[in-house]
Amino acid sequence: KAGVTQTPRYLIKTRGQQVTLSCSPISGHRSVSWYQQTPGQGLQFLFEYFSETQRNKGNFPGRFSGRQFSNSRSEMNVSTLELGDSALYLCASSLTSGPDTQYFGPGTRLTVL
Amino acid sequence: AQRVTQPEKLLSVFKGAPVELKCNYSYSGSPELFWYVQYSRQRLQLLLRHISRESIKGFTADLNKGETSFHLKKPFAQEEDSAMYYCALTQTGGFKTIFGAGTRLFVKA
Repeated sequence: KAGVTQTPRYLIKTRGQQVTLSCSPISGHRSVSWYQQTPGQGLQFLFEYFSETQRNKGNFPGRFSGRQFSNSRSEMNVSTLELGDSALYLCASSLTSGPDTQYFGPGTRLTVL
Repeated sequence: AQRVTQPEKLLSVFKGAPVELKCNYSYSGSPELFWYVQYSRQRLQLLLRHISRESIKGFTADLNKGETSFHLKKPFAQEEDSAMYYCALTQTGGFKTIFGAGTRLFVKA
C-alpha cells in the first residue's frame, strides 16, 4: 500500500497570508491526526479527525483549522500566518478509531517570512 | 495535565553497550504507550507499543504503572540504532497523542 502523502512538501509564505496543507492517508485508514514539529516545542498535537468529525483539538489558536473529506483525505488551514508558524507539519493516519499505530507522512515544511 | 517526559535530549553509548532511553508520563487514565523512531532522512515510524509486548530490533519496553514509566531498553546497542526516539501517549479513547521531546541516541563504533 502507498504510504501517507502530504502536499506540498515545501511552502514559503509571508506574514498575514493563509495556507492550506493536504494529507492523503493510507488506503482504508479513517483516522488522521496533524502535528506541528518545531525545534523548540517538539511534536505538538493539532487535531484528529475520524469519519469527517474532529474528535480532539490541541492547544492552538483558532487560526488553525482542519477538515476531513469522505475519502478520508484531510486538509489543514492556517490563516493570518505569523513568523512563529514556521514549522514542519506532520500528518499521520491510523486504521482504527481507538489507540492505534500512527503512520506518518513526510511532512510539509512551512516557512513564514 | 497529560505529559510525557524524556529527560535526556542526547544519549551517547558505545556499540555493544546496553542502552536505556527513559520515558515518564503523567496521565490520570489508562494510557496507551508507544515508542516511535526516526532514522536519518526517514519518516517517523513505530518502534513498539506496550500492548503488543513485542521485541522489535532487540528493543523492549515495560510499562510500570507504579512509577509511570515506559523506558526503552536494548542489551547491546548497534550503530544502526542511532536515531531520534520519541515516547508517545495516546489517551483512552484514542483521540489525542502526546509526544515527548525526544532523545537522540548516538551509538559510537
